[in-house]
Amino acid sequence: SQKIEQNSEALNIQEGKTATLTCNYTNYSPAYLQWYRQDPGRGPVFLLLIRENEKEKRKERLKVTFDTTLKQSLFHITASQPADSATYLCARPSYSSASKIIFGSGTRLSIRP
Amino acid sequence: DAGITQSPRHKVTETGTPVTLRCHQTENHRYMYWYRQDPGHGLRLIHYSYGVKDTDKGEVSDGYSVSRSKTEDFLLTLESATSSQTSVYFCAISRDRDTGELFFGEGSRLTVL
Repeated sequence: SQKIEQNSEALNIQEGKTATLTCNYTNYSPAYLQWYRQDPGRGPVFLLLIRENEKEKRKERLKVTFDTTLKQSLFHITASQPADSATYLCARPSYSSASKIIFGSGTRLSIRP
Repeated sequence: DAGITQSPRHKVTETGTPVTLRCHQTENHRYMYWYRQDPGHGLRLIHYSYGVKDTDKGEVSDGYSVSRSKTEDFLLTLESATSSQTSVYFCAISRDRDTGELFFGEGSRLTVL
């Protein structure tokens, strides 16, 4: 079966620094990986999608990479702010069915002033 | 914001009772999903639907059933609730499986005593 793992349960960094979150997957490379943000008591919100043939994608202060050799995606937030504090989830389509979207357990990011 | 409404938002019930959670969308999206979220487990897929009357199992489908009789509604039923089904349940919708971008509802918190 395919798994998707976010190794760090929590990450604390100083405001202004770059936050880097890791997502690792097993077995077959998915056609794409997604990243979501979730605030306490709310549903996740889609942030970025990166396809298998894309090495890097950017959106404002966010940057996502996709390394099929390492079977890993990195999610970066540059010039981090306390408002970036949230849980970040990565997700992939299942190999057995592209309609099934499977999530990692998330990384809780805290940005201290 | 995507038009997704979950009901009820909060429910407390007793072990052995049936429970139905409703997800209603106004976006006319083809795909609908039910996830549960528990501490340390992230989002786990229960069931999903790829069209009216078309549904499939997810990672944790035991003890749950679903129905989708029309595009806008996706019902999740716990035939006989157990304490292990105490969780926050999220509904999500998606327009297509090429990107699989999910839009989530606000969640339904279920407590089984």
